[in-house]
Amino acid sequence: DQQVKQNSPSLSVQEGRISILNCDYTNSMFDYFLWYKKYPAEGPTFLISISSIKDKNEDGRFTVFLNKSAKHLSLHIVPSQPGDSAVYFCAARYGSSNTGKLIFGQGTTLQVKP
Amino acid sequence: EAGVTQFPSHSVIEKGQTVTLRCDPISGHDNLYWYRRVMGKEIKFLLHFVKESKQDESGMPNNRFLAERTGGTYSTLKVQPAELEDSGVYFCASSQGVSGNTIYFGEGSWLTVV
Repeated sequence: DQQVKQNSPSLSVQEGRISILNCDYTNSMFDYFLWYKKYPAEGPTFLISISSIKDKNEDGRFTVFLNKSAKHLSLHIVPSQPGDSAVYFCAARYGSSNTGKLIFGQGTTLQVKP
Repeated sequence: EAGVTQFPSHSVIEKGQTVTLRCDPISGHDNLYWYRRVMGKEIKFLLHFVKESKQDESGMPNNRFLAERTGGTYSTLKVQPAELEDSGVYFCASSQGVSGNTIYFGEGSWLTVV
């Protein structure tokens, strides 16, 4: 039972253009969402997060949008750079629980072409 | 400041043998987590320590896996006896608090069972 889904295994964009990575979830009890970036042979690195009480959070070139009614979030990278090429994981956390357990999606491999 | 460190980085063992993975969290982080990624799939939660206590071990696959965090500092994850399906990358992560706090991941311990 996959509660967090990233339906696109891969995405390829041209340098300078926008990258949009999507994530869907099924559990309405999730109250906090995070994006992690992972390079080969390294651990996931925190990128950006959003609380369920917000619909947008921006940090430099990275913006996360949350649509609670659709149970959908997306990560926008503008402009995309070759160094952004990595696997991006969407993750969600339960709000009512006192555990920091994260539920991850399968990941989307982003390739930014020079 | 040192990040989350894991040892060994790679391990190849035969089916039926025992392996012990070690994790040193970021200094001052009471919360320590173990996650696993198998065959390029999603990263799955195994368990969560708060100091030396197991807060949530709902993700532990079976009783061949034993996690400890004596003294509330470093943690070990033992697999005994190892099976082929245990192969994957084992990530350790830590955070200061739970709610609203970023979880920082180590680089992972790659386990191959042959």
